[in-house]
Amino acid sequence: GNSVTQMEGPVTLSEEAFLTINCTYTATGYPSLFWYVQYPGEGLQLLLKATKADDKGSNKGFEATYRKETTSFHLEKGSVQVSDSAVYFCALVSGSARQLTFGSGTQLTVLP
Amino acid sequence: DAGITQSPRHKVTETGTPVTLRCHQTENHRYMYWYRQDPGHGLRLIHYSYGVKDTDKGEVSDGYSVSRSKTEDFLLTLESATSSQTSVYFCAISMDRGYEQYFGPGTRLTVT
Repeated sequence: GNSVTQMEGPVTLSEEAFLTINCTYTATGYPSLFWYVQYPGEGLQLLLKATKADDKGSNKGFEATYRKETTSFHLEKGSVQVSDSAVYFCALVSGSARQLTFGSGTQLTVLP
Repeated sequence: DAGITQSPRHKVTETGTPVTLRCHQTENHRYMYWYRQDPGHGLRLIHYSYGVKDTDKGEVSDGYSVSRSKTEDFLLTLESATSSQTSVYFCAISMDRGYEQYFGPGTRLTVT
């Protein structure tokens, strides 16, 4: 079956630091990969996506590259801000059922 | 904004009582989903729908039923609530093109 393994948190960084959150996956076929972000008390928001190998998804300064050879989709940002404090979820969908499989989430706190 | 609302947003109920949560969308998307979110588990799929009256079970469907009599509404029912069903419940939709899902704001359910 499909599974997603995320870097365990919590992660605490100072403002303007470099961020990496690791994500690796196991899937049948050719999955599409996603990063979602959840701010306190809110639902999940789609942050970025990649649908095939070597695609790079990017949004709001965040980037992730679909690496088929290492089955990874690591999230990066060059300079984090306090407003980036949230929980980040890696997810994939594979097959015709269109069901998302989520990682357990990584809590990020950015200190001023 | 995918036009998804959930009601109620918060509910406290007693063990053994029936509870129905509603998800409403304004854009007539075909696919709708119900998830629960619990600490350490990320999001887990309860049930999903791929059209009016077409539904199927997800990973954690025991104790839950769903109905979809109109495109815009997807109802989740707990026939007899238990304390293990205390959780935050999210509804999501996905469009016919693309596999990403868009989430509602969530319903926090407490079963005492």
